[in-house]
Amino acid sequence: GENVEQHPSTLSVQEGDSAVIKCTYSDSASNYFPWYKQELGKGPQLIIDIRSNVGEKKDQRIAVTLNKTAKHFSLHITETQPEDSAVYFCAAITGGGADGLTFGKGTHLIIQP
Amino acid sequence: DGGITQSPKYLFRKEGQNVTLSCEQNLNHDAMYWYRQDPGQGLRLIYYSQIVNDFQKGDIAEGYSVSREKKESFPLTVTSAQKNPTAFYLCASSKLGAQDGYTFGSGTRLTVV
Repeated sequence: GENVEQHPSTLSVQEGDSAVIKCTYSDSASNYFPWYKQELGKGPQLIIDIRSNVGEKKDQRIAVTLNKTAKHFSLHITETQPEDSAVYFCAAITGGGADGLTFGKGTHLIIQP
Repeated sequence: DGGITQSPKYLFRKEGQNVTLSCEQNLNHDAMYWYRQDPGQGLRLIYYSQIVNDFQKGDIAEGYSVSREKKESFPLTVTSAQKNPTAFYLCASSKLGAQDGYTFGSGTRLTVV
């Protein structure tokens, strides 16, 4: 089955700087890669996703890049703000999706004022 | 608005008791999932269901049970056989194949007293 590795587990950046979180996946047939943001005591929320036929997708301050050859994808947050502090999860799914999403273990992003 | 509702938000269980966590969605999603999240940890899959009256065990199903009698509802029972049930429980739903990702509920925090 699919295996998703996520790094780093904790990331601390100064407010206004950029943050990058990286994930690798094992199944070359995976074709959909969402990112979720989880604030303390709440359920994860989808913030951006990318499909395997696209190399990059951007939505205001967040972007996701996908390298199918290397089987890795990354979340980029620019001009970080205090409200970006949260846990971020990457995930991947293989074509038929019978078993659902496979999640990374999460990255705790801390924005230092 | 369509969404997924978990109740209660907080639940306290005495030793030896069974408790049931509710999950209801009005998104017309076919698939539903239950995850367990321990402090500082990732998401661990307990059970999932892709169709009414059918469900599959996830990675940590021991001590839990589910039912899927209606498309909209996927309750989780934490039985007395679950020796360490204190955790944050998340329910999610998706279209079949999960190619648009999951919608998560806001979670139930279960504490053993």
